[in-house]
Amino acid sequence: AQTVTQSQPEMSVQEAETVTLSCTYDTSESDYYLFWYKQPPSRQMILVIRQEAYKQQNATENRFSVNFQKAAKSFSLKISDSQLGDAAMYFCAYGGGADGLTFGKGTHLIIQP
Amino acid sequence: ETGVTQTPRHLVMGMTNKKSLKCEQHLGHNAMYWYKQSAKKPLELMFVYNFKEQTENNSVPSRFSPECPNSSHLFLHLHTLQPEDSALYLCASSQALVSGRASPNNEQFFGPGTRLTVL
Repeated sequence: AQTVTQSQPEMSVQEAETVTLSCTYDTSESDYYLFWYKQPPSRQMILVIRQEAYKQQNATENRFSVNFQKAAKSFSLKISDSQLGDAAMYFCAYGGGADGLTFGKGTHLIIQP
Repeated sequence: ETGVTQTPRHLVMGMTNKKSLKCEQHLGHNAMYWYKQSAKKPLELMFVYNFKEQTENNSVPSRFSPECPNSSHLFLHLHTLQPEDSALYLCASSQALVSGRASPNNEQFFGPGTRLTVL
């Protein structure tokens, strides 16, 4: 079974600075997708970024980028120029085949003004 | 309406009540999911439906009974719940799942959740 580990229960960063959230996963599959979801205080889960395992190029969405290390099974999220609206729970998720998604426990990101 | 909607948004019920949670997706998806999110716990996948067929039941107690009458609607029927069942219940949908093959279809779209309190 796949597992997803987020080792940072909480992170804090100054507004406008850069923060990196860690995620590692375990799988025996070679083809899969990885996702970062954001859950703000409203509790609405929102997709931040998606990475296909077969693509070597790291995904980027505006201020959000990932560092995908397939051999190390690592998938970290970098948020540049942090904004107050980035404050939320961030969940790393693994997806492959017909099993839906496996989520990590989440990282609570605090943005200090 | 667009996206994934859930009703009610908040529900308070006694342990002897029977209630239902409703989820509706307007995205043309064929897979739907129920998750439970408790305080300080990871998201727990409860049920998965793919083309209206239940494909996963993660050892969920029988007091939770899912129903998927069509690809757009998903229900979670609740009866004789316990206080520890109080949680946020999230519904999600995605494109159809394909066994043995990862695809962008794995991306899930979530509803706003139902906050359930069992007294």
